[in-house]
Amino acid sequence: GEDVEQSLFLSVREGDSSVINCTYTDSSSTYLYWYKQEPGAGLQLLTYIFSNMDMKQDQRLTVLLNKKDKHLSLRIADTQTGDSAIYFCAERRHAGNMLTFGGGTRLMVKP
Amino acid sequence: EAGVAQSPRYKIIEKRQSVAFWCNPISGHATLYWYQQILGQGPKLLIQFQNNGVVDDSQLPKDRFSAERLKGVDSTLKIQPAKLEDSAVYLCASSLSRLRDSNRLNTEAFFGQGTRLTVV
Repeated sequence: GEDVEQSLFLSVREGDSSVINCTYTDSSSTYLYWYKQEPGAGLQLLTYIFSNMDMKQDQRLTVLLNKKDKHLSLRIADTQTGDSAIYFCAERRHAGNMLTFGGGTRLMVKP
Repeated sequence: EAGVAQSPRYKIIEKRQSVAFWCNPISGHATLYWYQQILGQGPKLLIQFQNNGVVDDSQLPKDRFSAERLKGVDSTLKIQPAKLEDSAVYLCASSLSRLRDSNRLNTEAFFGQGTRLTVV
């Protein structure tokens, strides 16, 4: 199974907040990332958080990290139709530079 | 700044045929990754290069997949012979970091648009 797990699907109304959750297993993870993937496109880095932080805010995006529970979340405020995409969380482990991705959460924003 | 370039964008082949994908990373990026993304799943690392050396190829099916980065810049990924289950998007990514810079932001990976492979 996946070392990084996400729920498959989230549907919200335009203007509402979206919260996408992720759990990971490796306590040695150094950085945790959120990537966005639109249809037919590559992965775009949205934001990241270092493992010694518990929160990071970047405009409409808020990342929360609970290291004890190995839980990461991405909150998108005032969600827009252009935010519809698949969101992947990823962890970078201390050993090596490889990224391990979750299965992705498809966010659908209804007008 | 030019991003990670990949070609072709799409490829359809029959099973047991061979196929090759090409990646040109961002200029100056020492680390190059190939990921396989099967429909509905997250990307899975196949191989990681640091300059022209292999750092991690533990998840590369070596009986049929091979990759090289001879001059430490461009890279090719080959599948020979292809199987139906190889149908996926093959993503190339690059990052600036050196192997021991694992705690620095310059490990951010930039992804290309991918090559969508369909094996029929």
